[in-house]
Amino acid sequence: GAVVSQHPSWVICKSGTSVKIECRSLDFQATTMFWYRQFPKQSLMLMATSNEGSKATYEQGVEKDKFLINHASLTLSTLTVTSAHPEDSSFYICSAEGFVGTEAFFGQGTRLTVV
Amino acid sequence: DQQVKQNSPSLSVQEGRISILNCDYTNSMFDYFLWYKKYPAEGPTFLISISSIKDKNEDGRFTVFLNKSAKHLSLHIVPSQPGDSAVYFCAATTFTGTASKLTFGTGTRLQVTL
Repeated sequence: GAVVSQHPSWVICKSGTSVKIECRSLDFQATTMFWYRQFPKQSLMLMATSNEGSKATYEQGVEKDKFLINHASLTLSTLTVTSAHPEDSSFYICSAEGFVGTEAFFGQGTRLTVV
Repeated sequence: DQQVKQNSPSLSVQEGRISILNCDYTNSMFDYFLWYKKYPAEGPTFLISISSIKDKNEDGRFTVFLNKSAKHLSLHIVPSQPGDSAVYFCAATTFTGTASKLTFGTGTRLQVTL
C-alpha cells in the first residue's frame, strides 16, 4: 500500500524553541495532507488540512500562528510548532490521500516533548 | 461534541473467539466509515472501510457492519489473534468533492488473550 513517512519519530525540545515535523508521501502524490494531534488516551483530533500550493485550513481552536503548516510540493507537508511550550507536548500524526474518498494513509507519528 | 463515539474503552477476548468493536455516530451527513488499528507511538493503520450505500463489507478476518438507521457500525474480527491486540479507532467522513477529513472515535483497546 501507499506509504507516508513522518520525521522525526520523536523529539525533545526546550520551551520557547521551534520544532519542524515533516510528512512525505513516498509513492504517490498527495494534494491534501492532514495533521492530527493525540493526547494520551484520547482520540486523534484534526488540527488542520494542508493543501499543496495554498494556505492550510485550520480547525476551530487551533492557533495558526503557533502551528505553521507548509505544503510546498505534492509529496511534502511540514508542521512547525513555534515557541513550543510544555502544553504542546503531544503525539502529532499526519495523513495523506492520493485520491478523494480513499482511505487515508498515516505517517508513523511524532512524539513531541517540550521541557 | 463527540460526533463519533466508541463507548467501550477496552475489550478482552480469548484467542480464536470473535471480537466485536462498536461505534456510534451522530452526524447524519457522514457517508463513509473506516476502521484503523493503532499501536502505541505509531500512526494508525487502515483496516477496512464501508460506504453508506452498503451494510456490510468483508475483508479476510475483518467484517464491518453498518446500520444507518441506528447510526451504528461494528467491526467483527474472527478468529481473534494475539497480534490483533491494539487500539482500534473508527472514523467517519463526508464526501465533499475534495479530500475528506476524518472524525475519529475515542478508540477501544482490544486485548486478545491466549
